[in-house]
Amino acid sequence: DVKVTQSSRYLVKRTGEKVFLECVQDMDHENMFWYRQDPGLGLRLIYFSYDVKMKEKGDIPEGYSVSREKKERFSLILESASTNQTSMYLCASSYYLGTMNTEAFFGQGTRLTVV
Amino acid sequence: RKEVEQDPGPFNVPEGATVAFNCTYSNSASQSFFWYRQDCRKEPKLLMSVYSSGNEDGRFTAQLNRASQYISLLIRDSKLSDSATYLCVVPQGNAGNMLTFGGGTRLMVKP
Repeated sequence: DVKVTQSSRYLVKRTGEKVFLECVQDMDHENMFWYRQDPGLGLRLIYFSYDVKMKEKGDIPEGYSVSREKKERFSLILESASTNQTSMYLCASSYYLGTMNTEAFFGQGTRLTVV
Repeated sequence: RKEVEQDPGPFNVPEGATVAFNCTYSNSASQSFFWYRQDCRKEPKLLMSVYSSGNEDGRFTAQLNRASQYISLLIRDSKLSDSATYLCVVPQGNAGNMLTFGGGTRLMVKP
């Protein structure tokens, strides 16, 4: 059974703080993703990683950075949290079979509130 | 044009009805497609994968139309428990491994 684990379900941080969201998967997946989900806006891709130390910007990377030092772990970093980063953050992972993706498996989400 | 587009709904249908959603995509090179279901305040869960022309699983049928670049999801004999948001996912990006979600279609099944 694939497991994607996010470090926190709920998080409250102050404006200007540096925030780390951690995600770990146990199925040796190459691909890992960070999305944020807001009402009426669906899931928007922040960053994507297809290998250790490799990353690509998604649709909304501004204000975020990522780190993937080990294959199983993908961290999302808010350098200086702002109130407009209050959202649900979802991590996912998937296999990539050369020309085709398998489905993505999601963590349970982190609901971040920036005050 | 958005890369992956869905009608947001909501689709309000009575129990037992048949309902269909479409999802259009812009990347003609995409090889695999997915439908996810998301319940309120929960993470998305895989409903169906589509790797060729279509897939069927019980009351659910997914079909792919490559020429017109859309995939559809058909739900027969709707149940109250089918009420959820249905998300279409299409790989994008240079290597085709960046999974991009549509905005989702909300379904409400009424007694």
